Amino acid sequence: QTVVTQEPSFSVSPGGTVTLTCGLSSGSVSTNHYPSWYQQTPGQSPRTLIYGTYRRSSGVPDRFSGSILGNKAALTITGALADDESDYYCMLYMGVDIWVFGGGTKLTVL
Amino acid sequence: QVHLLESGGGVVQPGGSLRLSCAASGFILGSYNMHWVRQVPGKGLEWVAFVRYDGSDKHYADSVKGRFTISRDNSKSTVFLQMNSLRVEDTASYYCAKDNYWGFDHWGQGTLVAVSS
Repeated sequence: QTVVTQEPSFSVSPGGTVTLTCGLSSGSVSTNHYPSWYQQTPGQSPRTLIYGTYRRSSGVPDRFSGSILGNKAALTITGALADDESDYYCMLYMGVDIWVFGGGTKLTVL
Repeated sequence: QVHLLESGGGVVQPGGSLRLSCAASGFILGSYNMHWVRQVPGKGLEWVAFVRYDGSDKHYADSVKGRFTISRDNSKSTVFLQMNSLRVEDTASYYCAKDNYWGFDHWGQGTLVAVSS
């Protein structure tokens, strides 16, 4: 069974830039997987950041951007703020109406 | 404004059943595919089930296949998740999510299901 992989944790300095990635245990991520990214803070529902690889959800600042980098989907945060400290999940469409989330990346801003 | 409100969670014994509801407002439910996603406390997100906009097609994660049933009543703007043969490992917060074709664009606040003897 294919697993969606994410870095378990990442750290960025305030004002810095960080790129989180989303890969597959077997194969490459492409736009056909419709990669999407979700932010979640403890006790809250997920918040949609990016869908369809690079489409920014309503109200999401342009500091957040999505792309394909090599064989992975990527979420880049530029000018990181303390409020960006959260868990970030990617999700891929695996075809035949099946979706899979990655294990999540815990982002620390310090 | 899109709003999704889950209800129906609670405490149930192993082997028991629960029916979750997701009341949708601010958009025409019958035009969108919908999903259920769950999260074990302290763990990551897990996609659970999908229902096509008209209810004609449904798909499930292997972990719930044969035990959970997703359905919808577009006339009442509500999506359901019938959960049977519940197991301790089904303990989680359950979220409904709206599909915008490219991903999930809106989420509910979640409802907590606890399976315990």
